[in-house]
Amino acid sequence: QQQVKQSPQSLIVQKGGIPIINCAYENTAFDYFPWYQQFPGKGPALLIAIRPDVSEKKEGRFTISFNKSAKQFSLHIMDSQPGDSATYFCAANQAGTALIFGKGTTLSVSS
Amino acid sequence: DAGVIQSPRHEVTEMGQEVTLRCKPISGHDYLFWYRQTMMRGLELLIYFNNNVPIDDSGMPEDRFSAKMPNASFSTLKIQPSEPRDSAVYFCASSSRGYNEQFFGPGTRLTVL
Repeated sequence: QQQVKQSPQSLIVQKGGIPIINCAYENTAFDYFPWYQQFPGKGPALLIAIRPDVSEKKEGRFTISFNKSAKQFSLHIMDSQPGDSATYFCAANQAGTALIFGKGTTLSVSS
Repeated sequence: DAGVIQSPRHEVTEMGQEVTLRCKPISGHDYLFWYRQTMMRGLELLIYFNNNVPIDDSGMPEDRFSAKMPNASFSTLKIQPSEPRDSAVYFCASSSRGYNEQFFGPGTRLTVL
């Protein structure tokens, strides 16, 4: 019940495409859903986060869509660029508990 | 701010040796986390501190692992004795908002031969 399942494991898109990364959770008490971006040789960096009281959040070219009833949330990257090539991790938790991370999605954006 | 600082960036050691990883959190952050990242297991939380006090060490794999935070600006993760299966990237992260909005350091890549 504590797992966060992330898919796909890897993704290749062309420049300008819209990659979509999906995550599913089971614990209905989760109330914070961040996405982290990690470049090779670097630590993960917080990209965007959402709480379950909204269904969508946008920050620049990055959008989180949240479906509370389905217990799923996804990351969309609009107009993807080669510089977006990285590993993306979803995570979830409830207040005062550890973040549970997905296994990660390696995104490659070809020019 | 310089962000979270970790040292060394790379460590290669032989099985049985003691390894000490170091972390300097972002100034003003009162939460500090140690993670381990491997291909097989992903990101795993090992231990976290709040105001220099260890709060949850349930993720520490075994007694060979220990962590300390003697003051607000320094923490260590020690492995003694090290084993090849400890090879991984170890991250330190800090936060001023509990588990949320964690800022990760660049990591220490540990290789135990």
